[in-house]
Amino acid sequence: EIVLTQSPGTLSLSPGERATLSCRASQSVTSSHLAWYQQKPGQAPRLLIYAASRRATGIPDRFSGSGSGTDFTLTISRLEPEDFAVYFCLQYGNSAWTFGQGTKVEIK
Amino acid sequence: QVRLQESGPGLVKPSETLSLTCTVSGGSVSSSSYQWGWIRQPPGGGLEWIGNIYYSGNTYYNPSLKSRVTISVDTSKNQFSLKLSAVTGADTAVYFCARQIDGYIPVPFDYWGQGTLVSVSS
Repeated sequence: EIVLTQSPGTLSLSPGERATLSCRASQSVTSSHLAWYQQKPGQAPRLLIYAASRRATGIPDRFSGSGSGTDFTLTISRLEPEDFAVYFCLQYGNSAWTFGQGTKVEIK
Repeated sequence: QVRLQESGPGLVKPSETLSLTCTVSGGSVSSSSYQWGWIRQPPGGGLEWIGNIYYSGNTYYNPSLKSRVTISVDTSKNQFSLKLSAVTGADTAVYFCARQIDGYIPVPFDYWGQGTLVSVSS
């Protein structure tokens, strides 16, 4: 099983600042099958990024993903008020998918 | 517009079987373009992938749950279902169903149901 470790656990930032979230895998993720989701309280997760760097339909371009192998990053270039939420990464590169434990982006 | 809706009992007794159904509208569960999956989230916790099913009925499961999980598809009702046997309090969670787009560059879980809370208690 591939273990995904997200860091930091919590990120305290102000609107307009840049957010950089990390997702590290215990072994290489096949074909960069790595996705990022945003979740707000009481809601289902929303797909932001798939294939490590491709934005999902309707996702603003302030969200970007990068990385390959075992190290992946989600960057929010300028935080908007609606971006304060929990973010999860998901690897789907083999037949045993796994999620990271999440990073909470909170208002400083 | 694709919509997924989970349904099933909100309370299950320990050692019994949890059964949930996901009804899909705006898309067909029998399409070769998609896979369908279940994910759960304990209160205040993170996400855990449970398993996926292809339109053909082929499945793959989380190894930690595999011995207790069955996912099936009912094309006549455009639904897919989850059964989790021998439940304990650790299975208390919000259960989500979701869709994956298959293909050369698969798109995982682009549409989700709103989730349903299942509590395990006597």
